[in-house]
Amino acid sequence: NAGVTQTPKFQVLKTGQSMTLQCAQDMNHEYMSWYRQDPGMGLRLIHYSVGAGITDQGEVPNGYNVSRSTTEDFPLRLLSAAPSQTSVYFCASRTGKGNTIYFGEGSWLTVV
Amino acid sequence: GENVEQHPSTLSVQEGDSAVIKCTYSDSASNYFPWYKQELGKRPQLIIDIRSNVGEKKDQRIAVTLNKTAKHFSLHITETQPEDSAVYFCAAILHSSYKLIFGSGTRLLVRP
Repeated sequence: NAGVTQTPKFQVLKTGQSMTLQCAQDMNHEYMSWYRQDPGMGLRLIHYSVGAGITDQGEVPNGYNVSRSTTEDFPLRLLSAAPSQTSVYFCASRTGKGNTIYFGEGSWLTVV
Repeated sequence: GENVEQHPSTLSVQEGDSAVIKCTYSDSASNYFPWYKQELGKRPQLIIDIRSNVGEKKDQRIAVTLNKTAKHFSLHITETQPEDSAVYFCAAILHSSYKLIFGSGTRLLVRP
């Protein structure tokens, strides 16, 4: 198993550009989530999904869209990038409510 | 709202001493409480977790205690070593929404 795979690892965007961060897992996990981590800060939940076709907002959803058309993939879309979205983004997946969470390696995004 | 509070934000201890990090949660129905260690530039790594039907769990030098009545849980690291220096995050799964919410993190420094 590859686990949770995130791409790209590094990205620089100009203000106003759009992009998609990709996340894929091959463990057949129902739950997938996106977090952002600002320098020296904790992880804040952006969006999450409890299964294909089901998504919901987390703590900081504004400026981001998600979809879950398959169990494996959970892309995060930045509609119009802003400097405030400069952060490290982590995708995570798990099965059930109380099981181990698997994190991707992170995507470092800079918006200039 | 739903949140997890973590204290202290920074902790400096002498090698060999113990370190204690405390977290409180708001949703009394939360049932899973993991702790993560994050080194600079890396993804969070699970170090120990506890479920709501258990009061204490130990794994070598690391232990976690849970007080459901007071809605708080703590991480205890004994005989600290320089390689324990990192940022530690607590988290809680909010039973009502299946969201995993993180505390703000504790930067632990173990002085040789």
